[in-house]
Amino acid sequence: EDQVTQSPEALRLQEGESSSLNCSYTVSGLRGLFWYRQDPGKGPEFLFTLYSAGEEKEKERLKATLTKKESFLHITAPKPEDSATYLCAVQWAFNDYKLSFGAGTTVTVRA
Amino acid sequence: DAGVIQSPRHEVTEMGQEVTLRCKPISGHNSLFWYRQTMMRGLELLIYFNNNVPIDDSGMPEDRFSAKMPNASFSTLKIQPSEPRDSAVYFCASSRLSNNEQFFGPGTRLTVL
Repeated sequence: EDQVTQSPEALRLQEGESSSLNCSYTVSGLRGLFWYRQDPGKGPEFLFTLYSAGEEKEKERLKATLTKKESFLHITAPKPEDSATYLCAVQWAFNDYKLSFGAGTTVTVRA
Repeated sequence: DAGVIQSPRHEVTEMGQEVTLRCKPISGHNSLFWYRQTMMRGLELLIYFNNNVPIDDSGMPEDRFSAKMPNASFSTLKIQPSEPRDSAVYFCASSRLSNNEQFFGPGTRLTVL
């Protein structure tokens, strides 16, 4: 069964302490991998889409990378406002409207 | 540009009552999705519309749930009768094309007592 697994479940960082989140997947025929940020009480906010191994996307302190079996979201020199839950979702080639979401990584950045 | 609009933002009802959730997608988006989010199961796709037509409703939990999209700018998700296990946050999302990134609304937090 195709699965999306995120690790760690929770991450506590000091302001300025860079780290990475992992999203691994067992999907036959990946079409795209999506990263979202979700703040408490709000809907997921789109961050990036990655389509092929080796691809990288950046936005401010965030950089997403993709390999054949996993994706990383790197947070460089995080600030307290980067605190949120980060969700990854996989889209299959044969069912390309559907996003299968991981459980998320909750990041807390302390000042 | 306005994002996806959902109403109400919060709904508290008693078991057995009918609940209707509403969604206005982003103008120009052809695909609309209803999701449910719970701590136990995360984000789950309930139903997907393309050009106002339901394409995949395999995620709708049971016959108590129904969804409609009468036009390109409006969709409803109805639960009748509601049960306590339906308590969750319900999100509507839209995308320009079915395989593009999806943009989510703020959600409706439903509590069934």
